[in-house]
Amino acid sequence: DAGITQSPRHKVTETGTPVTLRCHQTENHRYMYWYRQDPGHGLRLIHYSYGVKDTDKGEVSDGYSVSRSKTEDFLLTLESATSSQTSVYFCAISGQGLNTEAFFGQGTRLTVV
Amino acid sequence: GQQVMQIPQYQHVQEGEDFTTYCNSSTTLSNIQWYKQRPGGHPVFLIQLVKSGEVKKQKRLTFQFGEAKKNSSLHITATQTTDVGTYFCAGPSDSGYALNFGKGTSLLVTP
Repeated sequence: DAGITQSPRHKVTETGTPVTLRCHQTENHRYMYWYRQDPGHGLRLIHYSYGVKDTDKGEVSDGYSVSRSKTEDFLLTLESATSSQTSVYFCAISGQGLNTEAFFGQGTRLTVV
Repeated sequence: GQQVMQIPQYQHVQEGEDFTTYCNSSTTLSNIQWYKQRPGGHPVFLIQLVKSGEVKKQKRLTFQFGEAKKNSSLHITATQTTDVGTYFCAGPSDSGYALNFGKGTSLLVTP
């Protein structure tokens, strides 16, 4: 597996609290992505980064923010968690964007109660 | 944005039967990728198709990219229990920097 680590792997949080998920890579890949996976919806893109401090929104970005201050780390923040954000979150990396394969992390299961 | 539609959503087969999942886009795709996700696991890249009409094989798996580059299929011959999982197709996003995934086809294989 590619050198990509997500933390935490599991988290339970209360509605209204901020939550930050971390994605760390050791592959020096330029592109990093955050997806969420929900039953019946497949994988939906939240945000992505195409370089340090270069980020953009995906199709389900509302309620989420990201930051990438260095190549290896891509942080996803839920400013005020809601129950609708209960999901499995996957980070992915790619060396060449859409032209090469994406490598996925193990996922973070987030439950908002 | 560009969306890829995938059917069927679920498929239950007996071991040894064939399986096919289809992916369709309303717009021409520059390429399409296929991923497999085992239960409880993460998506793993299988293959990328780029050329119109392209056909690629990986052992019992056959991948096709349509002539118009708007559709693709994954066919598994003589399924095995190890084929269980969800198969996703993915096409380029509007930005060109990310992948838009289909909703996936979950395959269950009964021994």
